[in-house]
Amino acid sequence: DAMVIQNPRYQVTQFGKPVTLSCSQTLNHNVMYWYQQKSSQAPKLLFHYYDKDFNNEADTPDNFQSRRPNTSFCFLDIRSPGLGDAAMYLCATSRDGGHSNEQFFGPGTRLTVL
Amino acid sequence: QKEVEQNSGPLSVPEGAIASLNCTYSDRGSQSFFWYRQYSGKSPELIMFIYSNGDKEDGRFTAQLNKASQYVSLLIRDSQPSDSATYLCAVNIMEYGNKLVFGAGTILRVKS
Repeated sequence: DAMVIQNPRYQVTQFGKPVTLSCSQTLNHNVMYWYQQKSSQAPKLLFHYYDKDFNNEADTPDNFQSRRPNTSFCFLDIRSPGLGDAAMYLCATSRDGGHSNEQFFGPGTRLTVL
Repeated sequence: QKEVEQNSGPLSVPEGAIASLNCTYSDRGSQSFFWYRQYSGKSPELIMFIYSNGDKEDGRFTAQLNKASQYVSLLIRDSQPSDSATYLCAVNIMEYGNKLVFGAGTILRVKS
């Protein structure tokens, strides 16, 4: 089945220790998104790739970086995690960036910062 | 004003009843509207989308859109305990390059 996969599902890191979250997709979608979702809040878009074009949200902290080495994979790097970065990180894909394109989410990675 | 607003709930309905979930949005240029279901600790799952004014039905779910009033709703008929979840409304915001903006969600509880 075509799907969006995220690894790991749970990640525990120490304050200030870099962490990388990964996302892969078999849908062959052009657009990949990274969202941060904290408890009882809406998913917040951090950035997205349209193919290889990177689009950063204005309010995404510099601490967050992303890489998309190929169509299938996308990574989220958190360079120096703080306690406030503990959240669910969601990867999503869409066929293209038009208004009518549905976004499909992976299962998420729950990040804990100690 | 928030771009996408939902009542946080919880909305409690008895099993078999109709659950009505509402969402308002601020961007008059918005063209696409999505409903996602999110179980606790899980990721959002797309259940409905609607682009045109009026109703769209899919099984027990009906999405209703009124662009003049900037209002979109989701009706769930014959509600089941398994429908208990948070329902997120998402709207494309044209001025942000068609970015999807999510509401914070409405918690639905279906009591058996």
